Amino acid sequence: DQQVKQNSPSLSVQEGRISILNCDYTNSMFDYFLWYKKYPAEGPTFLISISSIKDKNEDGRFTVFLNKSAKHLSLHIVPSQPGDSAVYFCAASYLSNTGNQFYFGTGTSLTVIP
Amino acid sequence: EPEVTQTPSHQVTQMGQEVILRCVPISNHLYFYWYRQILGQKVEFLVSFYNNEISEKSEIFDDQFSVERPDGSNFTLKIRSTKLEDSAMYFCASSVSGFGAFFGQGTRLTVV
Repeated sequence: DQQVKQNSPSLSVQEGRISILNCDYTNSMFDYFLWYKKYPAEGPTFLISISSIKDKNEDGRFTVFLNKSAKHLSLHIVPSQPGDSAVYFCAASYLSNTGNQFYFGTGTSLTVIP
Repeated sequence: EPEVTQTPSHQVTQMGQEVILRCVPISNHLYFYWYRQILGQKVEFLVSFYNNEISEKSEIFDDQFSVERPDGSNFTLKIRSTKLEDSAMYFCASSVSGFGAFFGQGTRLTVV
């Protein structure tokens, strides 16, 4: 049951350009969304998050957009840098007072070409 | 900067043996998780732990799995009788609020 989907397994972008990574979800109860970056043989590293009461959250070069009606979120990286090359996972969760379970997408491998 | 640490980084075990994966969460965090990633597949939730008990678990987390927080700092995942299909990267994570989580570097478990 794939509740969070990343339909693009890979993406290549020129250095300095915008990278747009997309994520779709099916469970309307999700109200908190996160993006993680992962290098091979390392744990996921938290990048940026957004709650369902917002439609945009920005942190430096990273911006996450949320379209609740379309159940879609995206991560924009501007400008892209070679060090951004990694696998990016989106994750979704819903409010629970015992700790949220995160549902991960399958990841998009981003390559930033110098 | 505080971080989640996991030991060992790589564990090789024979099928049917018990393994214990260890994690030291960030010290003021209250919510703890185990996830795993089979090679080439997505990151999968195993279990969450809050207030000294399991708060949620997935269908993967069957009777062969157990978690413990024995001494207030360590958080362990035990697999009683390992199977070949348990081979994966196991990630521990912790969170102060339940929103967002910080992950460890993972333990690569290889069952032979």
